[in-house]
Amino acid sequence: KQEVTQIPAALSVPEGENLVLNCSFTDSAIYNLQWFRQDPGKGLTSLLLIQSSQREQTSGRLNASLDKSSGRSTLYIAASQPGDSATYLCAVTGGIRDDKIIFGKGTRLHILP
Amino acid sequence: DAGVTQSPTHLIKTRGQQVTLRCSPKSGHDTVSWYQQALGQGPQFIFQYYEEEERQRGNFPDRFSGHQFPNYSSELNVNALLLGDSALYLCASSRGGHGEQYFGPGTRLTVT
Repeated sequence: KQEVTQIPAALSVPEGENLVLNCSFTDSAIYNLQWFRQDPGKGLTSLLLIQSSQREQTSGRLNASLDKSSGRSTLYIAASQPGDSATYLCAVTGGIRDDKIIFGKGTRLHILP
Repeated sequence: DAGVTQSPTHLIKTRGQQVTLRCSPKSGHDTVSWYQQALGQGPQFIFQYYEEEERQRGNFPDRFSGHQFPNYSSELNVNALLLGDSALYLCASSRGGHGEQYFGPGTRLTVT
């Protein structure tokens, strides 16, 4: 059964710092991994999608990496801003005999002005 | 492009009642997935619909059922509501089951 873990559960950093959010999954037979952002009480906004054959994806100040063999992904945020404050979720699609989309519990990020 | 839309935005129901939530996918998308998100938790996969059939199902009881229409829009039905069904219900659409998921704003269901 696929399980997704995100560490840390919460993180506070001063504005301007670079930071890394971690995501791990137990079954490496995934189709893809997606990072989302969620503001309080709102839906999810897709940030980056990494296909299983890819190692990383970049969008602006965001960079996501994927290491399937070790079951890990990281989301790197450069030069953090107060507007980056949100919950960040990772989700994996697929696994051995399991094609469901499984989310982690998220990391609550607070950027201090 | 309107993106994924959901209705209603908020809903209050009483225990034992039934509820129907609606979702319209992003233009060009043929697959709809439903999720339940309790406070402070990640979304939990309920089921996925493709070509008007349930393609995948998460660990949810039969009280949760769904439907997909020929225009790819979808409904989530929950019968015999329990207090524990109170949550944010999210709909996501994609092009195929493994495509990038685009989420709607969600429906906040409160069961009293």
